[in-house]
Amino acid sequence: GQQLNQSPQSMFIQEGEDVSMNCTSSSIFNTWLWYKQDPGEGPVLLIALYKAGELTSNGRLTAQFGITRKDSFLNISASIPSDVGIYFCAGQGGATNKLIFGTGTLLAVQP
Amino acid sequence: SAVISQKPSRDICQRGTSLTIQCQVDSQVTMMFWYRQQPGQSLTLIATANQGSEATYESGFVIDKFPISRPNLTFSTLTVSNMSPEDSSIYLCSVVRPQGFQETQYFGPGTRLLVL
Repeated sequence: GQQLNQSPQSMFIQEGEDVSMNCTSSSIFNTWLWYKQDPGEGPVLLIALYKAGELTSNGRLTAQFGITRKDSFLNISASIPSDVGIYFCAGQGGATNKLIFGTGTLLAVQP
Repeated sequence: SAVISQKPSRDICQRGTSLTIQCQVDSQVTMMFWYRQQPGQSLTLIATANQGSEATYESGFVIDKFPISRPNLTFSTLTVSNMSPEDSSIYLCSVVRPQGFQETQYFGPGTRLLVL
């Protein structure tokens, strides 16, 4: 099925570093969602964005809905070991209004 | 958020057999979906589970292979029929719930299926 372009594919960082990942699409979306998936679990919603230009924070996480409505980024500040996991962006909109997922970013944090 | 449970959480099955996965939500929801996540991959929508009518399948997925039931607004099942090793995946139930004035999509814990 259709997927969003998400980058980077993986990141290996030291504890305390900041992290940034982004998603881009050729299509316009009305909603951008960011999920985290721990090993052996289902995706957990981190942040939901509903308006172009919207900047939303959830603790050390900050995400923005791009002005063009075709992109979004997620920042994690001062990473900790429990941030390890796979992060997925997801966009929703268009004729079908179905959720389209990014390819995922694997984050590894070394203590 | 939504409390979504799935049964079984994992299973190992023989090729040619079928497995039915259950999804239970803590309160009534209008929209329920089934997704597949193949090893190391992202999530792909299988179908929308419609209450009182046949599920709506995405391209590449058919009812004979993935029959879905939705008898009420809190429960759905997905059957993986005549399994082959290529069906080894995580199968995820998902629902849409209101969040303020918007709607947001939540996922269950997934069912890990290994077909030998």
